[in-house]
Amino acid sequence: AQTVTQSQPEMSVQEAETVTLSCTYDTSESDYYLFWYKQPPSRQMILVIRQEAYKQQNATENRFSVNFQKAAKSFSLKISDSQLGDAAMYFCAYANYGGSQGNLIFGKGTKLSVKP
Amino acid sequence: NAGVTQTPKFQVLKTGQSMTLQCAQDMNHEYMSWYRQDPGMGLRLIHYSVGAGITDQGEVPNGYNVSRSTTEDFPLRLLSAAPSQTSVYFCASSKGQGRIAASRTQYFGPGTRLLVL
Repeated sequence: AQTVTQSQPEMSVQEAETVTLSCTYDTSESDYYLFWYKQPPSRQMILVIRQEAYKQQNATENRFSVNFQKAAKSFSLKISDSQLGDAAMYFCAYANYGGSQGNLIFGKGTKLSVKP
Repeated sequence: NAGVTQTPKFQVLKTGQSMTLQCAQDMNHEYMSWYRQDPGMGLRLIHYSVGAGITDQGEVPNGYNVSRSTTEDFPLRLLSAAPSQTSVYFCASSKGQGRIAASRTQYFGPGTRLLVL
């Protein structure tokens, strides 16, 4: 069974600085998707960024980028120029191509605080 | 376009009571799912559906039933509530089935907070 591990329960960053959130996963599949979701205090789950495992190029979305290391099964999220609105829980998630396609497997989350 | 809606927002139940958490989407998405979120546990899949009339179990299905009679609605039923079912429940949907569903953005509802006494 696939698993997703986020080893940092809490992180803190100064406004305008850069922070990296870690995520590792375990799978025997070669094709899959990886996601980072943001959950602000409102509890709404918001997709931040998505990576297809077959793509070598790291995904970027404005201030958010990932470092995808397929061999190491590592998928970290870098937030540049951190803003107060980035404070939230961040969840790393995995989805298979085969089997239960579409089902997300989540890590336990990292709580990010942004200091003004 | 309301996206994914969930009702109620908050509910208190007594042990042994039953209730239905409602989920609806207006995006004509084939794939819908239910997750529960517990402190320190992330989100865990309860049940999912790849289309009307088709449902299957996720990681933590015990104590819950689902049905999918229409594309739009995917209710979650608690048959006999237990304190262990105290949680926040999220419904999600995405376009497509199978591999397409895996690649598409999942849209989440705002969640239902359930307290079982």
